[in-house]
Amino acid sequence: DAKTTQPTSMDCAEGRAANLPCNHSTISGNEYVYWYRQIHSQGPQYIIHGLKNNETNEMASLIITEDRKSSTLILPHATLRDTAVYYCIVRARTSGGSNYKLTFGKGTLLTVNP
Amino acid sequence: NAGVTQTPKFRVLKTGQSMTLLCAQDMNHEYMYWYRQDPGMGLRLIHYSVGEGTTAKGEVPDGYNVSRLKKQNFLLGLESAAPSQTSVYFCASRNSSGTGKKDIQYFGAGTRLSVL
Repeated sequence: DAKTTQPTSMDCAEGRAANLPCNHSTISGNEYVYWYRQIHSQGPQYIIHGLKNNETNEMASLIITEDRKSSTLILPHATLRDTAVYYCIVRARTSGGSNYKLTFGKGTLLTVNP
Repeated sequence: NAGVTQTPKFRVLKTGQSMTLLCAQDMNHEYMYWYRQDPGMGLRLIHYSVGEGTTAKGEVPDGYNVSRLKKQNFLLGLESAAPSQTSVYFCASRNSSGTGKKDIQYFGAGTRLSVL
């Protein structure tokens, strides 16, 4: 499974863009990058995913470098409610190849300050 | 639309007691998962199911059993609880995309279990 490396914590001012980096230098050609977040005491929530191209949805944008070895999640106008742990995940197959699994690391704690 | 519902939300057990955690989803999803999360850690996969009547082991299956008798329900059992099983348990479900390109899992709110 491709490992991911994220900073332990980051701060961002309310209203500013939050840029969360993720390194996945061992990613293989057909593996997707997924981002989830977990607000304190809640279950994780899907944000966005991508393979090669940049992606945008109503929550965030995902920028993947051309060599696919790293990516950045962008929250364009962070609010206090965006304070959460953000997980960068490379999706891999479970043993036997019959299913895919998501491996959650420790993620980045993003704190949005007023 | 409730999504993924876990019961109970909290539970305290004594060592050796048994219990069952229930996960129910109303999205007609094929896949269901049980994870545990320990303080300061990410989620670890315990067991999963790819459809009604099927179960498979995940990363940390020891001490747990599961059943998927109905498509909408996925039960996690602890036959003889141990203090090491004190954790927050999350259930998730996802649809079968067919192409294997999407893996959007929808999570429940969690069950906080303490084993004394």
